[in-house]
Amino acid sequence: QLQLQESGPGLVKPSETLSLTCTVSGGSISGSSYYWAWIRQPPGKGLEWIGSIYYSGSTSYNPSLKRRVTIYVDTSKNQFSLKLSSVTAADTAIYYCARHASAVAGTGFDYWGQGTPVTVSS
Amino acid sequence: DIVMTQSPDSLAVSLGERATINCKSSQSVLYSSNNKNNLAWYQQKPGQPPNLLIYWASTRESGVPDRFSGSGSGTDFTLTISSLQAEDVAVYYCQQYYSTPYTFGQGTKLDIK
Repeated sequence: QLQLQESGPGLVKPSETLSLTCTVSGGSISGSSYYWAWIRQPPGKGLEWIGSIYYSGSTSYNPSLKRRVTIYVDTSKNQFSLKLSSVTAADTAIYYCARHASAVAGTGFDYWGQGTPVTVSS
Repeated sequence: DIVMTQSPDSLAVSLGERATINCKSSQSVLYSSNNKNNLAWYQQKPGQPPNLLIYWASTRESGVPDRFSGSGSGTDFTLTISSLQAEDVAVYYCQQYYSTPYTFGQGTKLDIK
């Protein structure tokens, strides 16, 4: 059974960089037709797609965050990671990692991590 | 961006009764190459990540009870719970995966009347 697990600091200071990692177990990030995504949910609010990465390193980002986001993959560790720079209180949210297929073969986000809360505060 | 708008924002339904949630996209999410609608529905319970219920607008994910069904095409979609159970209390989201940025509806909170 595929499992995804987020990890990283739960508290980040304003203007600093948020860094999170998603470890995938029960399956390989490499050599499959799936993409690996970051999605966030501010407290009491809805879901926002941050961006996705393919195992080859190809990325797609939400234009609303593109200037500040980097997603990268480490196939040797079966992990992918998120960096969000210049954070403000508006970036306080639960951050989820998830899997999805391409638009042609797509099924939506079919596996999710449990989520990790990140608070931006001094 | 494709804007997803759900209605209502919240609803309360009696146990055993039908619940219907609507989702409208600002442009068609029908993928011409395979004639499928790139529309998914999720259920999110408190303290949990969203759980995929429906994809291709009407295909149930494995393990999802058959009281959940999806319908619609193009820009208008519906999630129906045929006979509400207590465990169905949750927030429900629609999401388009037709084009990036992938976008979600604002959510519909479903309670027991």
